[in-house]
Amino acid sequence: AQSVTQPDIHITVSEGASLELRCNYSYGATPYLFWYVQSPGQGLQLLLKYFSGDTLVQGIKGFEAEFKRSQSSFNLRKPSVHWSDAAEYFCAVGDNYGQNFVFGPGTRLSVLP
Amino acid sequence: SQTIHQWPATLVQPVGSPLSLECTVEGTSNPNLYWYRQAAGRGLQLLFYSVGIGQISSEVPQNLSASRPQDRQFILSSKKLLLSDSGFYLCACKPGTGVYEQYFGPGTRLTVT
Repeated sequence: AQSVTQPDIHITVSEGASLELRCNYSYGATPYLFWYVQSPGQGLQLLLKYFSGDTLVQGIKGFEAEFKRSQSSFNLRKPSVHWSDAAEYFCAVGDNYGQNFVFGPGTRLSVLP
Repeated sequence: SQTIHQWPATLVQPVGSPLSLECTVEGTSNPNLYWYRQAAGRGLQLLFYSVGIGQISSEVPQNLSASRPQDRQFILSSKKLLLSDSGFYLCACKPGTGVYEQYFGPGTRLTVT
């Protein structure tokens, strides 16, 4: 069965600093990987996705993620964090049927002014 | 692109009362539909998913049920609410074949008192 871990429950960074959120997955076949962001009281918004091809994928809001098969990781990065990036971030793994979709527990990001 | 509507946005209900939450989708046909619950400070728990009208799969035993009376309508119900049913309920949609990500509605905040 698929599983996703996000080792960091809560991360605090200063505005303008770089950010990396970690995600590790367990999946027997080629994974379909996603990052979502959730602001308080809101639904989830898709930041980026990886299916195949170039292992560095670009997303919305200046985020990128890198797929590393050897490490079973899909870490999310942003070179310079803005105060509006404060939110909960979820990594997810799915299959090509869209039925087995597993979310990680989430990482809460706080941004200091 | 698809748009997911959820109704109501917030709801306060007494223990033992019935529940009906509605999710409707625009902009796509024959989507997969999902109900998730998010308890306070927790990750997402998949409750139900549906691949077509009248087809419902339940992921966890509970006093909730789901129905899909129309292609783009997904309803979450309960005959008698429990305190533990409180949470944030999210409806999600996988638009169709060739799309592997899920898109989320704005959510319904349910408080059982």
